[in-house]
Amino acid sequence: EVQLVESGGGLVQPGGSLRLSCAASGFIFSNYSMNWVRQAPGKGLEWLSYIRSTSSSIYYADSVKGRFTISRDNAKNSLYLQMNSLRAEDTAVYYCARDSYGDCPDYWGQGTLVTVSS
Amino acid sequence: DIVMTQSPDSLAVSLGERATINCKSSQSVLYTYNNKNYLAWYQQKPGQPPRLLIYWASTREPGVPDRFSGSGSGTDFTLTISSLQAEDVAVYYCHQYYITPRTFGQGTKLEIK
Repeated sequence: EVQLVESGGGLVQPGGSLRLSCAASGFIFSNYSMNWVRQAPGKGLEWLSYIRSTSSSIYYADSVKGRFTISRDNAKNSLYLQMNSLRAEDTAVYYCARDSYGDCPDYWGQGTLVTVSS
Repeated sequence: DIVMTQSPDSLAVSLGERATINCKSSQSVLYTYNNKNYLAWYQQKPGQPPRLLIYWASTREPGVPDRFSGSGSGTDFTLTISSLQAEDVAVYYCHQYYITPRTFGQGTKLEIK
């Protein structure tokens, strides 16, 4: 069974940093591209970042470019999102999601809540 | 960036009736090299992550009931639920993965009339 489990969320002050993790199981992690997507409270979905299976290609949304860094460790079956210079508008549930054979996210984790507030 | 615009924002349909949600992209998401539309549909229920329903605009994800169907090409797409069931109450999103930044529609809230 494919499982994605995010962790690392919590309360952080504006300007602070957090590192999110996504532990993958039930599939060959190193074969799949991965994404981070977030959802602010009561709002829609916002794609944030993509990383190819080999880390050879990485893309970001403009809203997080230069502040967030996506990475992965295929040996540990893990995906990461380093978030720096956090702002109140970064408050959201953060999901990791696997790209499918169809090239779009098929499996999603349950999400981890990040709250940026003083 | 490709802007995805869904209509309507909310929709109330009687049980057993047809529900139709539209999605328009600001530019084509059809990749002519393979003739595939890079358009997906997701269902999200409260407190849950999104669930993939349709990809390549019209290919149903395994396990998705056949009352869900997707159609369209280029810039105009439709998600149809042929006979609404109570468990279909949710927010539905279209999503383009043709180019980065990938983008989602604003969502359509589907309720029972």
